[in-house]
Amino acid sequence: DAKTTQPPSMDCAEGRAANLPCNHSTISGNEYVYWYRQIHSQGPQYIIHGLKNNETNEMASLIITEDRKSSTLILPHATLRDTAVYYCIVRVGTGTASKLTFGTGTRLQVTL
Amino acid sequence: GAGVSQSPSNKVTEKGKDVELRCDPISGHTALYWYRQSLGQGLEFLIYFQGNSAPDKSGLPSDRFSAERTGGSVSTLTIQRTQQEDSAVYLCASSLLGRTTNEKLFFGSGTQLSVL
Repeated sequence: DAKTTQPPSMDCAEGRAANLPCNHSTISGNEYVYWYRQIHSQGPQYIIHGLKNNETNEMASLIITEDRKSSTLILPHATLRDTAVYYCIVRVGTGTASKLTFGTGTRLQVTL
Repeated sequence: GAGVSQSPSNKVTEKGKDVELRCDPISGHTALYWYRQSLGQGLEFLIYFQGNSAPDKSGLPSDRFSAERTGGSVSTLTIQRTQQEDSAVYLCASSLLGRTTNEKLFFGSGTQLSVL
């Protein structure tokens, strides 16, 4: 699986949009971009994933550049409960199980 | 069950003892994963199962670590002759592994293992 690069930490004011970047310059054509987050003392939680097109769900939006070498996770209105470590992962999306390799992620701190 | 269940939630053991950690995946999920997370660190992949077989055991740190899955459901991670460096949170996850590529992993809350 391709390697990802994320900033170690970010701050965001409550109510503002949090934009978390991720570089994955070696991504292959059949690899998806996944985002998970881990709130303190809990297991990671799936947020969103995509291949080429931008995606949106009830939690977040995922913007993938046209060359697919980078992406941005957007939390449109961050709340204190969004404080967590956010992991960007790329993996082949097939019907076969394969490991997800978690990097060190971005620690997002949402403040009042 | 409603989610991935792990037991015990906390385990304190003495160095040299064996421990067993249990994972109950979401009903119907055919893929099961074990990770561990040391204090302040990221997640370290250990092993995954597809059904009862384990195609990738590459993450097991030593031969003291083993895992099995029976009946395509419950999995047990066993650590023999525990060492202090084994202290970590052991996380289990499962996924449906259907025909789609939407392989979301659902994680349990983990087992906090402390080796004294």
